[in-house]
Parts: sequence; structure tokens; C-alpha cells
Amino acid sequence: GAGVSQSPSNKVTEKGKDVELRCDPISGHTALYWYRQRLGQGLEFLIYFQGNSAPDKSGLPSDRFSAERTGESVSTLTIQRTQQEDSAVYLCASSSGLNSPLHFGNGTRLTVT
Amino acid sequence: GEDVEQSLFLSVREGDSSVINCTYTDSSSTYLYWYKQEPGAGLQLLTYIFSNMDMKQDQRLTVLLNKKDKHLSLRIADTQTGDSAIYFCAEIATGGGNKLTFGTGTQLKVEL
Repeated sequence: GAGVSQSPSNKVTEKGKDVELRCDPISGHTALYWYRQRLGQGLEFLIYFQGNSAPDKSGLPSDRFSAERTGESVSTLTIQRTQQEDSAVYLCASSSGLNSPLHFGNGTRLTVT
Repeated sequence: GEDVEQSLFLSVREGDSSVINCTYTDSSSTYLYWYKQEPGAGLQLLTYIFSNMDMKQDQRLTVLLNKKDKHLSLRIADTQTGDSAIYFCAEIATGGGNKLTFGTGTQLKVEL
């Protein structure tokens, strides 16, 4: 079946602009995650959605970052007033529930000029 | 808090075994994972082990878990050039929701 799909695959934006990144999880997966990977570094947790529960936003680095998810489907990560330090690969993952493995998309590479 | 550490680089010859090591600090870890990331791609789940196990084997991959020392290793037998990638270990801890905490990744280079 289809895996986790992210779009766009690459995004170049000017400092100060807003960007929206999209994630389509695997069908039926109740949990959805956003991670950030800066060049040469590990993955930094951003936000986690589980079913209809309130999302865990503990990893969002600032109030310029927000994410939404409609039901158990698509999620969008929005970064307002982008800064150069926001340049990174943004990875989305989904899983079928607690303690189930995360399945990752190929990520969106964001470059802020 | 949780902390997961890995060495940054490993170089091996084709056909040899590779051993990638990982240490973690959270003793309440329930599941530990190994992911592979090839250039320009997302993370591919390789294997995982539940914390009440000390070994898991899956074809060329062997995972060893020493819970007392909080040490996890991934052994790749008969390493091939296609195994060249970055390998991440990750843990889920009880009480941490379902968030994975990742190590910084080990870059494996396989030489001919």
C-alpha cells in the first residue's frame, strides 16, 4: 500500500514569508508526527497527534510554528515569518497506535534564503 | 530527560560485519528501534526490540540489548555497499507519549 506522502519535496522561500508543509499519512494510522532534521544532525521532535486527543506540541520551537490535523487524515505544518534557522528537512511519520513503529515520509527540504 | 548517543562514523570493508552502537539514558524505555536513512530519503524502519528481550535476529541483522548498561547494538553481517547510509537508534519511553527520541545517527561507509 501507499506510504507516508509529503509535499512539496523541496521548498525555497524568502526570509519572513510563511510556508505550509503537507503530510498524508498511511491510511488507518491514528498517530501522526512531525520531526525536524537539521543538516548533519539527528531528528528533533516537533508535534504529535493521536486520534482525537489534544496534540502534544511540546517540541514546537516557537509560536511561529503550528500544525493541524483533520481527523485521522492529512496534516499541515505551518511556519510563519520564516527565519534562516528554520532551514531543515521536515519529516512526517505515522503509526497505527501506541508502541507501534513509526513509518516516515521522504521529507520536505525547506531552504530559507 | 532522555538522551540517546551514537558514534558518528563507521567504515568497514565489503563482506565484513558492521557493529553500530547506541547508548540511552532512560531506564523506562519500552521499545528501541533502528532506522536507516539513505541520502535524500526519509527514514526506513529496519528492526526493533522490546525491552524485555536481549536479542533479536532478522536475516543479516542482529540486535543486542543490554538493559543493565542501557546499550543497544546493531550488527550487519556480510556488509554490502548498499548498506552505506546513516543509521539511527531511537527509543520510546513509558510516560513519554509515543514520541521517539533519536540518536544523532551513525554514518556507515562500506568500502570495496
